[in-house]
Amino acid sequence: SYELTQPPSVSVSPGQTARITCSGDAFPKQFAYWYQQKPGQAPVLVIYKDTKRPSGIPERFSGSSSGTTVTLTISGVQAEDEADYYCQSTDISGLYRNVFGIGTRVTVL
Amino acid sequence: QVQLVESGGGVVQPGRSLRLSCAASGFTFSNYAIQWVRQAPGKGLEWVAIISYDGSNTHYADSVKGRFTISRDNSKNKVFLQMNSVRAEDTAMYFCARDNYDNDGYSYGMDVWGQGTTVTVSS
Repeated sequence: SYELTQPPSVSVSPGQTARITCSGDAFPKQFAYWYQQKPGQAPVLVIYKDTKRPSGIPERFSGSSSGTTVTLTISGVQAEDEADYYCQSTDISGLYRNVFGIGTRVTVL
Repeated sequence: QVQLVESGGGVVQPGRSLRLSCAASGFTFSNYAIQWVRQAPGKGLEWVAIISYDGSNTHYADSVKGRFTISRDNSKNKVFLQMNSVRAEDTAMYFCARDNYDNDGYSYGMDVWGQGTTVTVSS
């Protein structure tokens, strides 16, 4: 089955930059999407189609892609950015399946 | 405002059935695909199923294929998830989310989510 590989955790000091990677064989054929989830809340889309930011998402969130790895970057991390971040994409094996990574817990020190 | 509201969750015995609903408001429902995503307690997100804007196409995760059925009623702005032969591993919070696709068939992402409904499978 198709898998997306993310680190389980990332720690960063306020004002620094957090980078979360996500690897998958379907990249770059398929786009990546990133979701932020805070405890007890529904996920929020923060990046779509690898690099695009939905309206209302702060500019400090950005996405990039290189080969089979995509990256979510949070520049100038703020305390409110502490959350779980999930990458998501689509299997290209011929059967339609959406897949999420395991999620990365971002801790603001 | 743009909103999705899930309902129908509860405690169900293994092997029994449950039907979840997702009610939409504040947008043109028939223009959007709807996805179901679940999250077991303390675990990550797991994609469950998707239905196209007009209900003509549906797809399922291997873990639920043959047991769950997704459907929609565009006249009522609702999507349903019929869960049959439930198992303990189906215990989770179930979210519905809207999605839209460009002319090349690529998603714009799940940009609106409901708050979820909890399903507990237990005897």
